Amino acid sequence: AQSVAQPEDQVNVAEGNPLTVKCTYSVSGNPYLFWYVQYPNRGLQFLLKYITGDNLVKGSYGFEAEFNKSQTSFHLKKPSALVSDSALYFCAVRANTGGFKTIFGAGTRLFVKA
Amino acid sequence: GAVVSQHPSRVICKSGTSVKIECRSLDFQATTMFWYRQFPKQSLMLMATSNEGSKATYEQGVEKDKFLINHASLTLSTLTVTSAHPEDSSFYICSASPARGDEQFFGPGTRLTVL
Repeated sequence: AQSVAQPEDQVNVAEGNPLTVKCTYSVSGNPYLFWYVQYPNRGLQFLLKYITGDNLVKGSYGFEAEFNKSQTSFHLKKPSALVSDSALYFCAVRANTGGFKTIFGAGTRLFVKA
Repeated sequence: GAVVSQHPSRVICKSGTSVKIECRSLDFQATTMFWYRQFPKQSLMLMATSNEGSKATYEQGVEKDKFLINHASLTLSTLTVTSAHPEDSSFYICSASPARGDEQFFGPGTRLTVL
């Protein structure tokens, strides 16, 4: 069965510092991995995805994520955080073998302090 | 590109009434649409997956007779909450995907409050 774990409910970081939001997954076969961001009372916005290829994926707003197959992780990173990055971040996984269901992690709230 | 709209954005209804929420892909054809429910400070719970012209596939524990889903065209899916009760109050989010393997594009969500 597919599953996604975001071990941190909340991440606090100072503006200008690097940030990491952690995600680990479990899926049969090769995964499709995604990161989304949600602002209050809004739908989700796509940040980036990993399907195949280079393990370091670059996405929107300066975010990037590194796919690590051996550790089954897909951590979201940004070299220099902005206050406007404060939001709720969801990691999601979908198996590429049969079915089309995407499973979302519980979410990690990011607070960037000025 | 890849914009998904939802209507209404917010609805308040009385217990026992039915509410319809529309989800539209504005600039692409969505072969698959998804309906999620999100409780405060929680993740998205997939309710059902719908493909144009066929019956929706509901997740375990989701009552298909209560949450009616219709995917009438490649740009429109509707979710009807029938005989709504206060426990149905939630944030409902739809998403659409243009083809297998692509990311999902999410609507802005609909806040349903049942009094």
